[in-house]
Amino acid sequence: KNEVEQSPQNLTAQEGEFITINCSYSVGISALHWLQQHPGGGIVSLFMLSSGKKKHGRLIATINIQEKHSSLHITASHPRDSAVYICAVSYGGNTPLVFGKGTRLSVIA
Amino acid sequence: SQTIHQWPATLVQPVGSPLSLECTVEGTSNPNLYWYRQAAGRGLQLLFYSVGIGQISSEVPQNLSASRPQDRQFILSSKKLLLSDSGFYLCAWSGVNSNQPQHFGDGTRLSIL
Repeated sequence: KNEVEQSPQNLTAQEGEFITINCSYSVGISALHWLQQHPGGGIVSLFMLSSGKKKHGRLIATINIQEKHSSLHITASHPRDSAVYICAVSYGGNTPLVFGKGTRLSVIA
Repeated sequence: SQTIHQWPATLVQPVGSPLSLECTVEGTSNPNLYWYRQAAGRGLQLLFYSVGIGQISSEVPQNLSASRPQDRQFILSSKKLLLSDSGFYLCAWSGVNSNQPQHFGDGTRLSIL
């Protein structure tokens, strides 16, 4: 069974700080997803990647397939980035995603 | 563009009462559909997923059931709710395999009294 581990569990940062959230998994995957859950509960998909790096605005996601590790970076963090960030992995086909427990980020002005 | 609708947004039900949560998707055909639950302060737990009409896979044995009567409709039900059924329920859809992004509904916050 694949375990998806995220660290840290909770993170508090000052506005403007560079933030890194880590995700590791134990079994080979087809793709890794990063999701953001807003304080109201809604979830949006940020990235899906199977190799290398993707960037969207101030968000950067990287993955190292050999080390079974991914990171989500936020540059110039802002209070509106406060949310729970969730890592999930997929194996292709119709198998469902396996989720990490999430990292709760609070950015203080 | 594709949209996903989930209702109601909040629900307060007494123990032992029935439940029906509905989710519909627009703008796509033959989506994979998912029901998740998130207990307070916990991660997402997959309850059911469906790859086609009438095809339901259950991940967690419990007093909940799911049905997919139409291609883009997914229903979560219970005949008798338990206190432990309280939580935040999310419906999601994706393309035909899991190497595509999942798109989530706004969720239903269910409180059992």
